[in-house]
Amino acid sequence: QKEVEQNSGPLSVPEGAIASLNCTYSDRVSQSFFWYRQYSGKSPELIMSIYSNGDKEDGRFTAQLNKASQYVSLLIRDSQPSDSATYLCAPRNEYSGAGSYQLTFGKGTKLSVIP
Amino acid sequence: KAGVTQTPRYLIKTRGQQVTLSCSPISGHRSVSWYQQTPGQGLQFLFEYFSETQRNKGNFPGRFSGRQFSNSRSEMNVSTLELGDSALYLCASSLDTGGDGYTFGSGTRLTVV
Repeated sequence: QKEVEQNSGPLSVPEGAIASLNCTYSDRVSQSFFWYRQYSGKSPELIMSIYSNGDKEDGRFTAQLNKASQYVSLLIRDSQPSDSATYLCAPRNEYSGAGSYQLTFGKGTKLSVIP
Repeated sequence: KAGVTQTPRYLIKTRGQQVTLSCSPISGHRSVSWYQQTPGQGLQFLFEYFSETQRNKGNFPGRFSGRQFSNSRSEMNVSTLELGDSALYLCASSLDTGGDGYTFGSGTRLTVV
């Protein structure tokens, strides 16, 4: 059973601060990792993908990956109230060696940015 | 560019009934995956279809089934509904198999009473 662990939160940060969201995964062979944002009552939307160890920056978002530690994180700089949402971590797993893949989602971390 | 379209948005069904949900992927996307989302379990993978073939199946009972048509549109069916089937059902499409950048639809909220 492939598992993805996230702190459920809520994580509360003041406006303008850095929010740090963490995720660990059990499948050592996962090569691709995705972060989704889900606003209350809405469907998830893709905000970041990362494939190599290290950091990947996109605007106020930075994804960090450490495959040896099976750890991926998302940093949100200059947090805004509009960032308040649940953030879902999703490694991509191969299905039974069949050359087909699926995303396994963590249960998400609820972020609240306080004005 | 049209997104992923799911119909209907809301459904109320009675225990024992069956239900069919529909998903139209983004034009050109050949892979459609289905997920069930509940507050307690989060997003759980149901199955993936690619070029009309089921490629992957999650750990759900046989009451959950699906299919994909030649135009990539997909349907999922749940037979003999149980109260525990109440959930948000999300469809996601991607160009190729395996969710390298899924785009989700708005979901179908199913309530079983």
